[in-house]
Formats: sequence, structure tokens, C-alpha cells
Amino acid sequence: NAGVTQTPKFQVLKTGQSMTLQCAQDMNHEYMSWYRQDPGMGLRLIHYSVGAGITDQGEVPNGYNVSRSTTEDFPLRLLSAAPSQTSVYFCASKGNSYEQYFGPGTRLTVT
Amino acid sequence: GDSVTQMEGPVTLSEEAFLTINCTYTATGYPSLFWYVQYPGEGLQLLLKATKADDKGSNKGFEATYRKETTSFHLEKGSVQVSDSAVYFCALDSNYQLIWGAGTKLIIKP
Repeated sequence: NAGVTQTPKFQVLKTGQSMTLQCAQDMNHEYMSWYRQDPGMGLRLIHYSVGAGITDQGEVPNGYNVSRSTTEDFPLRLLSAAPSQTSVYFCASKGNSYEQYFGPGTRLTVT
Repeated sequence: GDSVTQMEGPVTLSEEAFLTINCTYTATGYPSLFWYVQYPGEGLQLLLKATKADDKGSNKGFEATYRKETTSFHLEKGSVQVSDSAVYFCALDSNYQLIWGAGTKLIIKP
């Protein structure tokens, strides 16, 4: 199993550009989520999904969209990038156990 | 709402020292509690968990006990190694979401 994969690893955007961060898991997990990690603030939940076709907002959803058309994939879209979205983004999935499995992260810089 | 507070870092110790990283929480009900570890340049990995009061989670020499009376879940290790240098996050499970502490950076000097 590859676990949770994320692409790209690094990305630089200009203010106003849009892009999609990709996340995929091969563990057949129903629950998937996106977090952002900022220094001194831990992880904050952006959006999550409890299954294909179902998504919901987390703590900091503004400026981000998600969709879940398959169990495996959960892309995160930045509609119009802003410098405040400079962060490290982690995708995670969870099966029936308590453990969340994290991807390696995407480091995004918005200039 | 639910929240997690952990001691600020960085925590700097010498190899073989005793480690404690404090974590306290505020929650309704009795959530599951976790410690995750993030090594440099990597994602987070589950280190240990406890699902009910008085449970002790343990892994790789680390331990933490779920203390309902003090709403705490402190992480301990008897003898740290340089390879334990990482950022440690305390978290609680609240309705499908993990609520995270801010993380504590641990630096172990040889």
C-alpha cells in the first residue's frame, strides 16, 4: 500500500492564481480530511469528507473548495490564492480504527 | 468548544534524559486522546493513544496516561535519544475531527 499520497510537494503561486492540491489513498478509508499547519498553531481542519459524495467544512474553510467523487481521491482547490494561504497542507484518511494516516504534505507559498 | 493545550517549546534535553511534555484538554464527554509525532520534513504519525480514563498508551518507550480528574495526557519517556528529536502533537477526537495542540518541538543533544 502507498498509504496517503499528496502532490505536489512544493508549489509557489502568485496572488490570485488558482490550483488544486491532490490527495489519494489506497486503504479504502471512508473518512478523509485536509489540514493546514502554520507555525505555533498546530493543525487546523479545512474540509473533511465521511464518504464519496459527502463533504463538510472544518474550522478554516474560506478560500478552499473540495469534492469527493471517489473513495480514493479528495482534491483541495484554492480558488484565488492569497498570501494568508501560505502554509503546509496535509491530507489524512481514517478507517474504522482511531488512527488518522497522514500524507507527506504540500508546502505552498503565495507571493 | 473542545480544546487542547500543550507546553510550549522548544524543549532541549541531553541524550538519556527523562522527558515530560505536558498536555491538558477541555472537552465535553470522554474523548479519545492521542499523541502524534512529526519528524523533520515528514507528515504526522500516530505515536500512542488512549480511549478511556486511566488507559495508558505506550509505544517506542513513550507513555501517556489518560487522567480524567486532571484532564491531562502528559507524554513521558525515561531515556530519550537523538532520534527522538521531532515535533510532538497532543490531540483529542471530537465528532470525526481531531482537535490539536500547537505542538512541542523536542531537541535532543548528544
